[in-house]
Amino acid sequence: RKEVEQDPGPFNVPEGATVAFNCTYSNSASQSFFWYRQDCRKEPKLLMSVYSSGNEDGRFTAQLNRASQYISLLIRDSKLSDSATYLCVVALDNYGQNFVFGPGTRLSVLP
Amino acid sequence: GAVVSQHPSRVICKSGTSVKIECRSLDFQATTMFWYRQFPKKSLMLMATSNEGSKATYEQGVEKDKFLINHASLTLSTLTVTSAHPEDSSFYICSARVDYEQYFGPGTRLTVT
Repeated sequence: RKEVEQDPGPFNVPEGATVAFNCTYSNSASQSFFWYRQDCRKEPKLLMSVYSSGNEDGRFTAQLNRASQYISLLIRDSKLSDSATYLCVVALDNYGQNFVFGPGTRLSVLP
Repeated sequence: GAVVSQHPSRVICKSGTSVKIECRSLDFQATTMFWYRQFPKKSLMLMATSNEGSKATYEQGVEKDKFLINHASLTLSTLTVTSAHPEDSSFYICSARVDYEQYFGPGTRLTVT
């Protein structure tokens, strides 16, 4: 079983749609959680950290369920510029180390 | 946010040669940097953790004699791919730890012919 698993995708959605990504992790000792986005042939960029209480940043909402070892990312009112691969990242500590990347879910927002 | 640079962004080399990739933290000091590689349509795989002033810690399966890492200063880590072979062709990305997050460099695309 892979340490971090994500929806295989790709997701093709029209502009303005709401899309949700799911991620599960296998190590119950994981301490910190992130969503990164990666554009084609570019480096990953931090989208948001994920907290147990859930957090929101504009059109993006992240949720964490430690009991189910499940993380989600919701994008509302999707824009063409949201097209990218979304990477779920889980770390075993709170020190920015031991990152384990999920395989990513590709999103294409269509006009 | 923190800025991490990498050089070169793209390199083509012949089999058997060595290639050095630099990773720099531009506006902060990074005691810990990380080296990843990414194959097409695959996720990032951690190769090694680079600590300033000490030996790098390599992940299982990564040959330390082939992928030499040096972190001689608080703003620079280098990865040298020695005796490169076509199977070493990949996208190499470094990152630097800032508090509890990692910021990534723009990556180096290595092609070995």
